[in-house]
Amino acid sequence: QKEVEQNSGPLSVPEGAIASLNCTYSDRGSQSFFWYRQYSGKSPELIMFIYSNGDKEDGRFTAQLNKASQYVSLLIRDSQPSDSATYLCAASNFGNEKLTFGTGTRLTIIP
Amino acid sequence: EPEVTQTPSHQVTQMGQEVILRCVPISNHLYFYWYRQILGQKVEFLVSFYNNEISEKSEIFDDQFSVERPDGSNFTLKIRSTKLEDSAMYFCASPNTSGESDTQYFGPGTRLTVL
Repeated sequence: QKEVEQNSGPLSVPEGAIASLNCTYSDRGSQSFFWYRQYSGKSPELIMFIYSNGDKEDGRFTAQLNKASQYVSLLIRDSQPSDSATYLCAASNFGNEKLTFGTGTRLTIIP
Repeated sequence: EPEVTQTPSHQVTQMGQEVILRCVPISNHLYFYWYRQILGQKVEFLVSFYNNEISEKSEIFDDQFSVERPDGSNFTLKIRSTKLEDSAMYFCASPNTSGESDTQYFGPGTRLTVL
């Protein structure tokens, strides 16, 4: 059974600070990792994907992957109130396979 | 971001009735997925569809569920006899066409309420 685990939160971060979201996965065969943002009542919105060990940066977002530790993280710099949402971590094997999601971490940015 | 569309946005039905949920994925891609999310729970995989055939399905996707491609662009998810526990958001997802074949983009979802 493939599992993706996230701390459900809520995680509260002051505006302008760095928000750090974490995720672990159980299946060593997982190769691709994704972070989605989900506002209440809306669909998941893709933010970042990462395939290789190390860091990947895109604007205010940095995804980090450590396959040896089976650990994925998302850093959000200069947090804004609009970043308040639930962040979903997902994993898949290569080749257009299904996504396995975690339960999500609810992030609140405090003005 | 590439756009996936779904209709209806909200479907209310009586237990035991059939429902058909529709999706138009990103054009010209062979892969297609259906997921569901029960309120307050995680997003769960239902079925993947490749080149007009089911490529994988989950334990949730039992005989009450079916997926079809009635024409070249639309996909449907049919639930033959709905149960109360089928109440959920149903999302279709599609990879984009720019070569990032592992990245799935989600449609806005259909909220299914079974009474």
